[in-house]
Amino acid sequence: DTEVTQTPKHLVMGMTNKKSLKCEQHMGHRAMYWYKQKAKKPPELMFVYSYEKLSINESVPSRFSPECPNSSLLNLHLHALQPEDSALYLCASSQDLQGGNEQFFGPGTRLTVL
Amino acid sequence: KQEVTQIPAALSVPEGENLVLNCSFTDSAIYNLQWFRQDPGKGLTSLLLIQSSQREQTSGRLNASLDKSSGRSTLYIAASQPGDSATYLCAVRTSYAGKSTFGDGTTLTVKP
Repeated sequence: DTEVTQTPKHLVMGMTNKKSLKCEQHMGHRAMYWYKQKAKKPPELMFVYSYEKLSINESVPSRFSPECPNSSLLNLHLHALQPEDSALYLCASSQDLQGGNEQFFGPGTRLTVL
Repeated sequence: KQEVTQIPAALSVPEGENLVLNCSFTDSAIYNLQWFRQDPGKGLTSLLLIQSSQREQTSGRLNASLDKSSGRSTLYIAASQPGDSATYLCAVRTSYAGKSTFGDGTTLTVKP
């Protein structure tokens, strides 16, 4: 099973709302990633977790707060977002951070901030 | 800083043609290169992964090659089908810490 699942598929939120995105994998992978993708652009890395510890934060604004409660789950907590944060949010996983490992992506959450 | 370029940005071909998509990168010190397919509004589907020590990988009608010294990879699609229509992205892993650099993609349209 090479599946990464993400919920919800779509999310509409106001600028004062708090919401969370969820990502799950059952491949035994120990590295998990959050990416943001704007229309007609490649994915941009936001965060990397390795063995449930934050490894990389690509200078992401604090209104995005990642959490890795266990090796299978990755959350992205959203608060006080701006309309320009509207995008497709992609989760990915890999065996670990060894350079040769393949990344597997989830289907994404389409976020619209009003 | 690694820069990844994909040419052409868009490609339209009739069904049945063989085609080549190109990916070039500026820093040859890479761990691997991965080709993805993305349908509109969907996630990325991994097509092929080439390790830095490999020259090519094949899966069905797809063949990817890697020439590290020249900073190039090609994705060859044989006997193209309308279902191959999508955006194809290459991603280069140059960091042990988990970072990959993506190209902007090639949007392929295969006409019946």
